[in-house]
Amino acid sequence: ETGVTQSPTHLIKTRGQQVTLRCSSQSGHNTVSWYQQALGQGPQFIFQYYREEENGRGNFPPRFSGLQFPNYSSELNVNALELDDSALYLCASSDLSGETQYFGPGTRLLVL
Amino acid sequence: KQEVTQIPAALSVPEGENLVLNCSFTDSAIYNLQWFRQDPGKGLTSLLLIQSSQREQTSGRLNASLDKSSGRSTLYIAASQPGDSATYLCAALGSGGSNYKLTFGKGTLLTVNP
Repeated sequence: ETGVTQSPTHLIKTRGQQVTLRCSSQSGHNTVSWYQQALGQGPQFIFQYYREEENGRGNFPPRFSGLQFPNYSSELNVNALELDDSALYLCASSDLSGETQYFGPGTRLLVL
Repeated sequence: KQEVTQIPAALSVPEGENLVLNCSFTDSAIYNLQWFRQDPGKGLTSLLLIQSSQREQTSGRLNASLDKSSGRSTLYIAASQPGDSATYLCAALGSGGSNYKLTFGKGTLLTVNP
């Protein structure tokens, strides 16, 4: 059984650009959640995907969007990057119960 | 809206000391409470998960307790070691309608000095 994986591990972008982050769920998990962790803060919930549909969203603007694919892998897309988008982006997958979320290692995004 | 607070924000102790990290949450309607460890620049490592019906969980030198009625959880670390130095995060799992989401505190930065 493989764990949650994320790619890339690190990324540098400039303000105004667009970025796509990827996440592969743990085997058998059909739900993926994304979190943003700014420096010195706890992770903040961005949104969750269940069976390819958005299933709840935190307080993030529409330029944060996502996709979930039939194999339950997921993408997080951020348009019009801002300096404050610099953070560690974590994805977590969960099983049918949704009660235990397993985290990937994260993607560190730096916006210059 | 769930809010999670962790006290203290930072803690420095000598090796071998027993210590307690505190976590409080405002909405007692949680499914579980989870403690994570995060090393600098790294992702989250799950330490202990306490279901809402449980009072405590133990793993090795770690013991976590949960008191839903008072909105509090504690993480007890026995006989601390320099390798325990990290940021410890607690997170409450709640329902945002049809989805489950974790609400995290800002963490406690623990330094264990040799």
